[in-house]
Amino acid sequence: SQKIEQNSEALNIQEGKTATLTCNYTNYSPAYLQWYRQDPGRGPVFLLLIRENEKEKRKERLKVTFDTTLKQSLFHITASQPADSATYLCVGSDGGGGNKLTFGTGTQLKVEL
Amino acid sequence: DAGITQSPRHKVTETGTPVTLRCHQTENHRYMYWYRQDPGHGLRLIHYSYGVKDTDKGEVSDGYSVSRSKTEDFLLTLESATSSQTSVYFCAISESKGSGNQPQHFGDGTRLSIL
Repeated sequence: SQKIEQNSEALNIQEGKTATLTCNYTNYSPAYLQWYRQDPGRGPVFLLLIRENEKEKRKERLKVTFDTTLKQSLFHITASQPADSATYLCVGSDGGGGNKLTFGTGTQLKVEL
Repeated sequence: DAGITQSPRHKVTETGTPVTLRCHQTENHRYMYWYRQDPGHGLRLIHYSYGVKDTDKGEVSDGYSVSRSKTEDFLLTLESATSSQTSVYFCAISESKGSGNQPQHFGDGTRLSIL
């Protein structure tokens, strides 16, 4: 079955460093990958979307890459801040009708002072 | 923030009782979705709706039914709740086109415990 896999271990980094989160997909060729942020007790919040024919997308301190050869997306937060601490979800879509998404389990990021 | 309200936010009930969760949106979006989120799993789609009275099953639809009689409301019903349905339930909406290039906007969830 199609899977979106993210590192289940929390990522701890120091404030000001770049955080890099990895998302791999298997048995699947998503046309789009989306990244969401989820805080405890809240619903996911959309951050960025990248298409399979785009190599890279940026928004402020965020950057996402999409490598169809490696079947992987990387999500970067530059100049990280404690407020960036959250769980980040990688989500795939095959672009079909209904906008049905396949979610990864998320990676928890902790940014320490 | 997208106008999505889920109710109730928390509920504790007993096995075998019926439970209805409500999702209300003020964005006039065509697509609405119900997900459940459990430890060790990504969000999993239960049912979705692509218009009033138009619904379809998702990945984990057994034991759940839905109804959408108005654009703004999408109800999820557990006809006879079981302990395996203890979870956090999220409602989401997306704009009309309904293809994968549309983000989904989520409510803040309902934490449901079935004893």
